[in-house]
Amino acid sequence: DQQVKQNSPSLSVQEGRISILNCDYTNSMFDYFLWYKKYPAEGPTFLISISSIKDKNEDGRFTVFLNKSAKHLSLHIVPSQPGDSAVYFCAASSVQGAQKLVFGQGTRLTINP
Amino acid sequence: SQTIHQWPATLVQPVGSPLSLECTVEGTSNPNLYWYRQAAGRGLQLLFYSVGIGQISSEVPQNLSASRPQDRQFILSSKKLLLSDSGFYLCAWASGIQETQYFGPGTRLLVL
Repeated sequence: DQQVKQNSPSLSVQEGRISILNCDYTNSMFDYFLWYKKYPAEGPTFLISISSIKDKNEDGRFTVFLNKSAKHLSLHIVPSQPGDSAVYFCAASSVQGAQKLVFGQGTRLTINP
Repeated sequence: SQTIHQWPATLVQPVGSPLSLECTVEGTSNPNLYWYRQAAGRGLQLLFYSVGIGQISSEVPQNLSASRPQDRQFILSSKKLLLSDSGFYLCAWASGIQETQYFGPGTRLLVL
């Protein structure tokens, strides 16, 4: 049972344009959501998070939007830069337990010059 | 600042051999610690987590075990490796419940 889904395995965007990465979840108990960026053979790097009490969180070029009714979140990167090329994972957790993160399958983002 | 270390970075082991992967965290006390595995082309799967010394919770039945002998040390072990144990193993820490998890550099394990 895939509780967190990233339905696009890959995304290609032109440099300078907006990148939009999507994530859907099924567990209504999730109340904390995160995005991580991962390069090959490295650990994921935390990018940005959002609590379920908010619908938007912004940090520089990165903005995360949360639509609780649709159980959907998205990461917007604008403007996209070549260094943004990586695999992006969304993750979710609930207050139950020890903050066990449930990850999506990842989306490979490629920024074209 | 906090840092997290994992070693070795890469490991090639024969089927049936034992395994010991180590993770240590610096710059924090009483962290929550986590072991994840990323199989080829897949997302990250939580294997074990620990909220304190000697406290281990297992998420999925498998050939692996974990131990936390010290506050900032987390060890992933196996008595006999299987081919299916191959993957990228990641250790992570968080300062508490509902806190962001930060990942180590990972260990790539290839079982032949």
